[in-house]
Amino acid sequence: GQNIDQPTEMTATEGAIVQINCTYQTSGFNGLFWYQQHAGEAPTFLSYNVLDGLEEKGRFSSFLSRSKGYSYLLLKELQMKDSASYLCAVTDSNYQLIWGAGTKLIIKP
Amino acid sequence: ETGVTQTPRHLVMGMTNKKSLKCEQHLGHNAMYWYKQSAKKPLELMFVYSLEERVENNSVPSRFSPECPNSSHLFLHLHTLQPEDSALYLCASSQGPSGVNTEAFFGQGTRLTVV
Repeated sequence: GQNIDQPTEMTATEGAIVQINCTYQTSGFNGLFWYQQHAGEAPTFLSYNVLDGLEEKGRFSSFLSRSKGYSYLLLKELQMKDSASYLCAVTDSNYQLIWGAGTKLIIKP
Repeated sequence: ETGVTQTPRHLVMGMTNKKSLKCEQHLGHNAMYWYKQSAKKPLELMFVYSLEERVENNSVPSRFSPECPNSSHLFLHLHTLQPEDSALYLCASSQGPSGVNTEAFFGQGTRLTVV
């Protein structure tokens, strides 16, 4: 079966750095997405990786290793507004999006 | 404003009621989706419409009935639901079908409670 694993919940301190991991086992791979979802709101697109390596976008970076079936989302200089759920999703060989259950990130002052 | 609007935001219905969820996208996309989001579970894809034709139905019970009258509007008709159908129902749109390397834009969802 197809599976996306990410931690259920993480806690970090304002101003610090946090890394949210995502591992996947899917039938084929055509890209990996990260989305942010604040409580009661729509998921919003953060990043897309299809090749190995690091993609940086301001305070957020996303890394992919296709050989390891692994990605992480790195958030720097954490702000209280970064408290949200972070969803990892992989596009398989049929271009179906397979979703993880999300990681709830709690930021403490 | 995400470009995808869902109504209502909240809905409480009895198991014998009939109701409809509405989704409208203003982005010119040609694919629209219904997802179910339950607490601590992955997003579950329910239906996909591409160019107004249903391209996927992931074994969703018949008490959920989608309708796509045009490329900008998507409905989910609900009847004789069960309490376990209580969840957040999200509509999304994208430029292409499924996840063809294009991001999906989501509405804010309808929080459905079945009593």
